[in-house]
Amino acid sequence: NAGVTQTPKFQVLKTGQSMTLQCAQDMNHNSMYWYRQDPGMGLRLIYYSASEGTTDKGEVPNGYNVSRLNKREFSLRLESAAPSQTSVYFCASIRGADYGYTFGSGTRLTVV
Amino acid sequence: KNEVEQSPQNLTAQEGEFITINCSYSVGISALHWLQQHPGGGIVSLFMLSSGKKKHGRLIATINIQEKHSSLHITASHPRDSAVYICAVRSPGNQFYFGTGTSLTVIP
Repeated sequence: NAGVTQTPKFQVLKTGQSMTLQCAQDMNHNSMYWYRQDPGMGLRLIYYSASEGTTDKGEVPNGYNVSRLNKREFSLRLESAAPSQTSVYFCASIRGADYGYTFGSGTRLTVV
Repeated sequence: KNEVEQSPQNLTAQEGEFITINCSYSVGISALHWLQQHPGGGIVSLFMLSSGKKKHGRLIATINIQEKHSSLHITASHPRDSAVYICAVRSPGNQFYFGTGTSLTVIP
């Protein structure tokens, strides 16, 4: 099925541990995004990649790094997890500026 | 400060009612998106608008660029419409801003 695939769906980390959230899309979309969603707040942009080979910071990039490995894959890395990074993370992609989003199913991350 | 404000925050309706969700924004935009998030957490893109009106089934989205306002209407609401509806805007500089969502519950 065409779409955006995120892994893992759930993860529990201890403070200071590192992990990488994986995202892949098979729709040949140019732009990909990582968001976090916290209770009472709207989706907030962490990083985005307008096209293969480029990445840019969003609203809340601190504590995260990203890699646009190829056109399909855009990964998000937490180098040293902190409890403040407990959240639900969504990856999304868009074919171009005049199109709607396609979202992954989300990763629920808990940092203890 | 929130660049995107939605109202109401919560809405309960009887099945069959006509529903309106509002979105106001304070930044210049090149596009506005309406998203639907189901209780399981998945997010679906409903509409992308830059002007006028779009319709898909029982859903209608309108935008007034001069007033910086958009509405999402649901006709003949159904319990399966129960979800959180999120308004998002994209600025000409490709910044994205999201509302906190409107939680809709439709009672049979």
